[in-house]
Amino acid sequence: GESVGLHLPTLSVQEGDNSIINCAYSNSASDYFIWYKQESGKGPQFIIDIRSNMDKRQGQRVTVLLNKTVKHLSLQIAATQPGDSAVYFCADLNQAGTALIFGKGTTLSVSS
Amino acid sequence: NAGVMQNPRHLVRRRGQEARLRCSPMKGHSHVYWYRQLPEEGLKFMVYLQKENIIDESGMPKERFSAEFPKEGPSILRIQQVVRGDSAAYFCASSPNTGEQFFGPGTRLTVL
Repeated sequence: GESVGLHLPTLSVQEGDNSIINCAYSNSASDYFIWYKQESGKGPQFIIDIRSNMDKRQGQRVTVLLNKTVKHLSLQIAATQPGDSAVYFCADLNQAGTALIFGKGTTLSVSS
Repeated sequence: NAGVMQNPRHLVRRRGQEARLRCSPMKGHSHVYWYRQLPEEGLKFMVYLQKENIIDESGMPKERFSAEFPKEGPSILRIQQVVRGDSAAYFCASSPNTGEQFFGPGTRLTVL
């Protein structure tokens, strides 16, 4: 079965709000997680990653939090903009480290 | 440095025909991955190749599907005798090692 999955299929926010997208994973041995953004008609675009020896990692306007106790991952987007509208996927590596395992995705809609 | 290139971007085939999907990795990348995405779903791993070698094909259907990454030229994903269930977006990713994977724009296959 899938190693990762997302709690909500859709999320609607107002421009300027902060967005939080959640992901639960089942494989306690997973040690590397990635968030991807996919715009309509395009391939996934890397946003940010985190290893299991970290609880938090920050990028430009994005923060990823990892809670290994409850096997939960979240992506926080600060000051959400219309250009952030897309489908967001969390992913982790399979045990062999050869393939990404994707969740189903959360569609983020940002209204002005 | 051009990104991962895939062609064609859209491909229409009738049931029973063959589909050939091409992927040119980023310059300097010798690792190629193929994923399939059904509508409203996340990406599913199919196969991982290095130059002239298939490393992991655990996600490939046992029949009708094959992949290659020759010493010269692009990686090819070949689907023989296509059926309607093969309709999907097929994404290729490349990496310089087993780290971050960079995705192409995908080929959208429609089987009539």
